[in-house]
Amino acid sequence: NAGVTQTPKFQVLKTGQSMTLQCAQDMNHEYMSWYRQDPGMGLRLIHYSVGAGITDQGEVPNGYNVSRSTTEDFPLRLLSAAPSQTSVYFCASSKGGDLSSEAFFGQGTRLTVV
Amino acid sequence: ILNVEQSPQSLHVQEGDSTNFTCSFPSSNFYALHWYRWETAKSPEALFVMTLNGDEKKKGRISATLNTKEGYSYLYIKGSQPEDSATYLCAFRDDYKLSFGAGTTVTVRA
Repeated sequence: NAGVTQTPKFQVLKTGQSMTLQCAQDMNHEYMSWYRQDPGMGLRLIHYSVGAGITDQGEVPNGYNVSRSTTEDFPLRLLSAAPSQTSVYFCASSKGGDLSSEAFFGQGTRLTVV
Repeated sequence: ILNVEQSPQSLHVQEGDSTNFTCSFPSSNFYALHWYRWETAKSPEALFVMTLNGDEKKKGRISATLNTKEGYSYLYIKGSQPEDSATYLCAFRDDYKLSFGAGTTVTVRA
């Protein structure tokens, strides 16, 4: 029972490099989201998706791209990494259309940009 | 950006004592209010999802109440134990998105 799987768990990038954080869920959830967690700021929404082919921006979208070609996968792309993107990133999924549905989180990716 | 605020930011509790803390959120366009427990080096895990004004939820020694008209929710921990030490996050759901507060970090001293 995998739930939400994020890879990698740790990553160090140099400024200007690009990379993709992977997120996959096996619960057939319609909603998927990416958050970043910084000290004292809780979880801030980067991008979210309500289904395959549909994505939208959250609170802090600049410097990140997403796509949702399948229900299962929701990758997050850093186009040109900056030190300000050093953070812990969480992917989450939940059922769509069910107000009582909780969010399920991946294990997180700790990203350091030097 | 939705304003979801939690207070206090942190608190220290003696083992066996009870405690409570607050989440405030917008009172318009309300769909649901979530509470999550987040232990160090782990992922947040759901405690409660509340959708109706006046909802009360309970899981073991932890309970929560909801007032959607005035935009607040309380989380209560009765008889705190060291294993209750964690950060407790609330999140406001409007249509498709969850907006999180910064959390209340609870440390239970034995």
